[in-house]
Amino acid sequence: DVKVTQSSRYLVKRTGEKVFLECVQDMDHENMFWYRQDPGLGLRLIYFSYDVKMKEKGDIPEGYSVSREKKERFSLILESASTNQTSMYLCASVDRLGANVLTFGAGSRLTVL
Amino acid sequence: QKEVEQDPGPLSVPEGAIVSLNCTYSNSAFQYFMWYRQYSRKGPELLMYTYSSGNKEDGRFTAQVDKSSKYISLFIRDSQPSDSATYLCATAPIYNQGGKLIFGQGTELSVKP
Repeated sequence: DVKVTQSSRYLVKRTGEKVFLECVQDMDHENMFWYRQDPGLGLRLIYFSYDVKMKEKGDIPEGYSVSREKKERFSLILESASTNQTSMYLCASVDRLGANVLTFGAGSRLTVL
Repeated sequence: QKEVEQDPGPLSVPEGAIVSLNCTYSNSAFQYFMWYRQYSRKGPELLMYTYSSGNKEDGRFTAQVDKSSKYISLFIRDSQPSDSATYLCATAPIYNQGGKLIFGQGTELSVKP
């Protein structure tokens, strides 16, 4: 019954390492999103994509990039991880006609040492 | 100032209590209002969805939107320990491109048996 899968639930990386967070959805959704969640700050949008090969910056894109080579897969990339990127990362998707009913993955908790 | 402000909590209540969770927002263009529930170590799930002003009831849950005061509320009647979770309000403008939501900070609720 899993619809949005984030393959890495817990990661520990060192400062300067390149980090890939993978997200796969099996609902044939057009729109996909990456949020980060921090205590007291809620969910903040990093990047989103409305179609394959398309990407748009969210509110906090600095230090991140994304890749969407296939409709079902949306990857978040930290080119050079820093300690202030320690956070919970949430992937979500929605059908183009599905208004605002996001389906979220379980999250990837990243710790950068 | 954040576009959506939510009482951060945490909130602890005894079983059976009535719970009130609240958010305020600043943009009068916001027309879609949602409440997501997030259990520990899980992604958020949609709990309630309303469009424009008014009330919506679903079992023990009531979502209320007052656009004149830009106030969003979620009421939980006869609260249960299984309601213990983080509750996130979210909103989007009328021109929203499917799924690009603005979230509040989240309120952590604990219902004690």
